[in-house]
Amino acid sequence: ELKVEQNPLFLSMQEGKNYTIYCNYSTTSDRLYWYRQDPGKSLESLFVLLSNGAVKQEGRLMASLDTKARLSTLHITAAVHDLSATYFCAVDLGAGGTSYGKLTFGQGTILTVHP
Amino acid sequence: NAGVMQNPRHLVRRRGQEARLRCSPMKGHSHVYWYRQLPEEGLKFMVYLQKENIIDESGMPKERFSAEFPKEGPSILRIQQVVRGDSAAYFCASSPPPPKAQFFGPGTRLTVL
Repeated sequence: ELKVEQNPLFLSMQEGKNYTIYCNYSTTSDRLYWYRQDPGKSLESLFVLLSNGAVKQEGRLMASLDTKARLSTLHITAAVHDLSATYFCAVDLGAGGTSYGKLTFGQGTILTVHP
Repeated sequence: NAGVMQNPRHLVRRRGQEARLRCSPMKGHSHVYWYRQLPEEGLKFMVYLQKENIIDESGMPKERFSAEFPKEGPSILRIQQVVRGDSAAYFCASSPPPPKAQFFGPGTRLTVL
Protein backbone atom coordinates (compact mmCIF):
# COMPACT_ATOMS: atom_id res chain seq x y z
CA GLU A 1 0.00 0.00 0.00
CA LEU A 2 1.35 3.40 -0.99
CA LYS A 3 2.16 5.70 1.90
CA VAL A 4 2.82 9.40 1.49
CA GLU A 5 4.33 11.29 4.40
CA GLN A 6 4.93 14.98 4.72
CA ASN A 7 7.05 16.81 7.20
CA PRO A 8 6.81 18.95 9.01
CA LEU A 9 3.06 18.80 9.66
CA PHE A 10 3.07 22.24 11.24
CA LEU A 11 5.32 25.07 10.16
CA SER A 12 5.40 28.51 11.70
CA MET A 13 7.58 30.92 9.78
CA GLN A 14 8.56 34.50 9.99
CA GLU A 15 8.04 36.67 6.96
CA GLY A 16 11.14 36.84 4.82
CA LYS A 17 12.52 33.46 5.86
CA ASN A 18 13.10 30.37 3.74
CA TYR A 19 11.96 26.86 4.46
CA THR A 20 11.37 23.47 2.83
CA ILE A 21 8.50 21.01 3.11
CA TYR A 22 9.35 17.38 2.43
CA CYS A 23 7.18 14.70 0.87
CA ASN A 24 8.32 11.08 1.02
CA TYR A 25 6.47 8.22 -0.58
CA SER A 26 6.86 4.49 -0.33
CA THR A 27 6.32 3.12 -3.86
CA THR A 28 7.88 4.14 -7.15
CA SER A 29 5.91 6.73 -9.07
CA ASP A 30 6.97 9.47 -11.42
CA ARG A 31 3.88 11.61 -11.02
CA LEU A 32 3.58 13.94 -8.08
CA TYR A 33 1.37 16.96 -7.47
CA TRP A 34 1.37 19.80 -4.98
CA TYR A 35 -1.85 21.47 -3.88
CA ARG A 36 -2.74 24.37 -1.62
CA GLN A 37 -5.85 24.51 0.55
CA ASP A 38 -7.09 27.57 2.44
CA PRO A 39 -9.32 26.97 5.49
CA GLY A 40 -12.80 25.85 4.47
CA LYS A 41 -11.90 26.01 0.81
CA SER A 42 -11.14 23.62 -2.00
CA LEU A 43 -7.75 22.58 -3.35
CA GLU A 44 -5.75 24.67 -5.76
CA SER A 45 -3.22 23.01 -8.03
CA LEU A 46 0.30 24.39 -7.60
CA PHE A 47 2.68 22.05 -9.42
CA VAL A 48 2.66 18.93 -11.56
CA LEU A 49 5.95 16.99 -11.50
CA LEU A 50 6.19 14.23 -14.07
CA SER A 51 9.76 13.02 -14.20
CA ASN A 52 12.87 12.47 -12.15
CA GLY A 53 14.70 15.72 -11.63
CA ALA A 54 11.68 17.86 -12.51
CA VAL A 55 11.80 21.34 -11.02
CA LYS A 56 9.00 23.88 -11.23
CA GLN A 57 8.87 27.41 -9.85
CA GLU A 58 6.04 29.85 -9.38
CA GLY A 59 6.65 33.03 -7.45
CA ARG A 60 8.10 32.24 -4.03
CA LEU A 61 7.44 28.50 -4.34
CA MET A 62 9.67 25.92 -6.00
CA ALA A 63 8.97 22.20 -6.21
CA SER A 64 11.27 19.36 -7.18
CA LEU A 65 11.02 15.61 -7.62
CA ASP A 66 13.63 12.88 -7.04
CA THR A 67 11.98 9.62 -8.05
CA LYS A 68 15.00 7.53 -7.05
CA ALA A 69 14.84 8.82 -3.50
CA ARG A 70 11.01 8.89 -3.63
CA LEU A 71 11.15 12.44 -2.39
CA SER A 72 9.64 15.73 -3.41
CA THR A 73 10.35 19.10 -1.85
CA LEU A 74 8.42 22.35 -1.78
CA HIS A 75 10.75 25.23 -1.07
CA ILE A 76 9.46 28.56 0.17
CA THR A 77 11.59 31.61 -0.44
CA ALA A 78 11.15 34.86 1.53
CA ALA A 79 7.79 33.86 2.94
CA VAL A 80 4.90 36.33 3.02
CA HIS A 81 1.67 36.19 4.99
CA ASP A 82 -0.38 35.32 1.89
CA LEU A 83 1.36 31.94 1.74
CA SER A 84 -0.33 30.84 4.97
CA ALA A 85 -2.35 27.74 4.05
CA THR A 86 -2.23 23.94 4.14
CA TYR A 87 -0.01 22.34 1.52
CA PHE A 88 -0.54 18.80 0.29
CA CYS A 89 1.57 16.59 -1.88
CA ALA A 90 -0.15 13.77 -3.74
CA VAL A 91 1.27 10.79 -5.60
CA ASP A 92 -0.49 9.34 -8.63
CA LEU A 93 -0.35 5.56 -8.48
CA GLY A 94 -3.18 3.20 -9.28
CA ALA A 95 -3.76 -0.51 -9.56
CA GLY A 96 -0.96 -2.56 -11.05
CA GLY A 97 1.53 0.25 -10.65
CA THR A 98 -0.03 2.36 -13.39
CA SER A 99 -0.84 6.05 -13.10
CA TYR A 100 -4.31 7.22 -13.98
CA GLY A 101 -5.08 10.01 -11.58
CA LYS A 102 -5.70 8.04 -8.40
CA LEU A 103 -4.06 10.40 -5.94
CA THR A 104 -2.77 9.40 -2.53
CA PHE A 105 -2.33 12.49 -0.42
CA GLY A 106 0.09 13.30 2.34
CA GLN A 107 -1.26 14.47 5.67
CA GLY A 108 -0.76 18.11 4.78
CA THR A 109 1.56 20.78 6.16
CA ILE A 110 -0.14 23.68 7.91
CA LEU A 111 1.95 26.74 7.16
CA THR A 112 1.56 29.93 9.16
CA VAL A 113 3.59 32.96 8.18
CA HIS A 114 3.71 35.73 10.75
CA PRO A 115 5.37 39.14 10.81
CA ASN B 1 -15.22 28.42 -18.57
CA ALA B 2 -16.87 27.32 -15.35
CA GLY B 3 -14.86 25.22 -12.99
CA VAL B 4 -15.90 21.98 -11.35
CA MET B 5 -19.35 22.44 -9.85
CA GLN B 6 -20.61 20.61 -6.82
CA ASN B 7 -23.96 20.79 -5.12
CA PRO B 8 -25.17 21.13 -2.57
CA ARG B 9 -22.33 22.93 -0.82
CA HIS B 10 -23.69 21.99 2.58
CA LEU B 11 -25.93 19.05 3.37
CA VAL B 12 -27.40 18.07 6.70
CA ARG B 13 -28.91 14.63 7.15
CA ARG B 14 -30.19 12.64 10.08
CA ARG B 15 -28.87 9.17 10.73
CA GLY B 16 -30.50 6.65 8.41
CA GLN B 17 -31.32 9.12 5.63
CA GLU B 18 -29.79 9.17 2.17
CA ALA B 19 -27.31 11.74 0.89
CA ARG B 20 -26.87 12.55 -2.81
CA LEU B 21 -23.89 14.62 -3.85
CA ARG B 22 -23.60 15.97 -7.36
CA CYS B 23 -20.57 16.90 -9.42
CA SER B 24 -20.42 18.53 -12.83
CA PRO B 25 -16.89 18.33 -14.26
CA MET B 26 -15.21 21.08 -16.18
CA LYS B 27 -16.14 21.32 -19.83
CA GLY B 28 -14.11 18.86 -21.86
CA HIS B 29 -13.12 16.75 -18.85
CA SER B 30 -14.16 13.12 -19.02
CA HIS B 31 -12.40 11.85 -15.90
CA VAL B 32 -14.06 12.32 -12.50
CA TYR B 33 -12.64 11.48 -9.10
CA TRP B 34 -14.27 11.61 -5.66
CA TYR B 35 -12.30 12.18 -2.46
CA ARG B 36 -13.33 12.43 1.18
CA GLN B 37 -11.68 14.68 3.73
CA LEU B 38 -12.33 14.05 7.38
CA PRO B 39 -11.74 16.93 9.80
CA GLU B 40 -8.05 17.77 10.24
CA GLU B 41 -7.03 15.06 7.77
CA GLY B 42 -5.85 14.82 4.20
CA LEU B 43 -7.98 13.70 1.31
CA LYS B 44 -8.68 10.01 0.73
CA PHE B 45 -9.43 8.64 -2.72
CA MET B 46 -12.84 7.05 -3.08
CA VAL B 47 -13.63 6.36 -6.73
CA TYR B 48 -12.57 7.16 -10.29
CA LEU B 49 -15.12 7.24 -13.07
CA GLN B 50 -15.31 7.93 -16.75
CA LYS B 51 -18.59 8.35 -18.60
CA GLU B 52 -20.79 5.34 -17.79
CA ASN B 53 -17.86 3.43 -16.31
CA ILE B 54 -16.41 2.93 -12.84
CA ILE B 55 -12.67 2.54 -13.36
CA ASP B 56 -11.44 2.21 -9.78
CA GLU B 57 -13.64 2.09 -6.69
CA SER B 58 -11.02 0.72 -4.32
CA GLY B 59 -11.52 3.59 -1.87
CA MET B 60 -15.27 3.21 -1.54
CA PRO B 61 -16.69 1.57 1.57
CA LYS B 62 -18.19 -1.77 0.60
CA GLU B 63 -21.65 -0.93 1.87
CA ARG B 64 -23.96 2.08 1.58
CA PHE B 65 -21.79 4.01 -0.87
CA SER B 66 -22.21 4.08 -4.64
CA ALA B 67 -21.18 6.36 -7.48
CA GLU B 68 -22.15 6.89 -11.08
CA PHE B 69 -21.27 9.11 -13.99
CA PRO B 70 -24.03 8.75 -16.56
CA LYS B 71 -23.80 9.58 -20.22
CA GLU B 72 -25.81 12.72 -19.59
CA GLY B 73 -25.75 14.76 -16.43
CA PRO B 74 -23.51 15.07 -13.41
CA SER B 75 -21.66 12.44 -11.48
CA ILE B 76 -23.51 11.35 -8.35
CA LEU B 77 -22.08 10.06 -5.09
CA ARG B 78 -24.82 8.37 -3.11
CA ILE B 79 -24.63 7.44 0.55
CA GLN B 80 -27.47 5.37 1.92
CA GLN B 81 -28.44 5.15 5.58
CA VAL B 82 -25.91 7.74 6.66
CA VAL B 83 -24.12 7.46 10.00
CA ARG B 84 -22.30 10.12 12.01
CA GLY B 85 -18.95 8.83 10.77
CA ASP B 86 -19.94 9.86 7.24
CA SER B 87 -19.70 13.52 8.25
CA ALA B 88 -16.91 14.96 6.13
CA ALA B 89 -16.14 17.16 3.17
CA TYR B 90 -16.56 15.36 -0.14
CA PHE B 91 -14.58 16.73 -3.03
CA CYS B 92 -15.00 15.98 -6.68
CA ALA B 93 -12.18 16.54 -9.13
CA SER B 94 -12.05 16.34 -12.89
CA SER B 95 -9.30 16.23 -15.44
CA PRO B 96 -8.54 15.57 -19.07
CA PRO B 97 -6.80 12.22 -19.60
CA PRO B 98 -3.95 11.95 -17.03
CA PRO B 99 -1.27 13.02 -16.34
CA LYS B 100 -2.90 16.40 -16.26
CA ALA B 101 -3.60 18.12 -12.94
CA GLN B 102 -6.98 17.51 -11.41
CA PHE B 103 -9.22 20.49 -10.80
CA PHE B 104 -11.17 20.30 -7.61
CA GLY B 105 -14.69 21.46 -6.95
CA PRO B 106 -15.65 23.51 -3.88
CA GLY B 107 -16.73 20.40 -2.00
CA THR B 108 -19.91 19.29 -0.27
CA ARG B 109 -19.78 19.43 3.49
CA LEU B 110 -21.99 16.67 4.85
CA THR B 111 -23.12 16.78 8.45
CA VAL B 112 -24.96 13.81 9.91
CA LEU B 113 -26.96 14.57 13.03
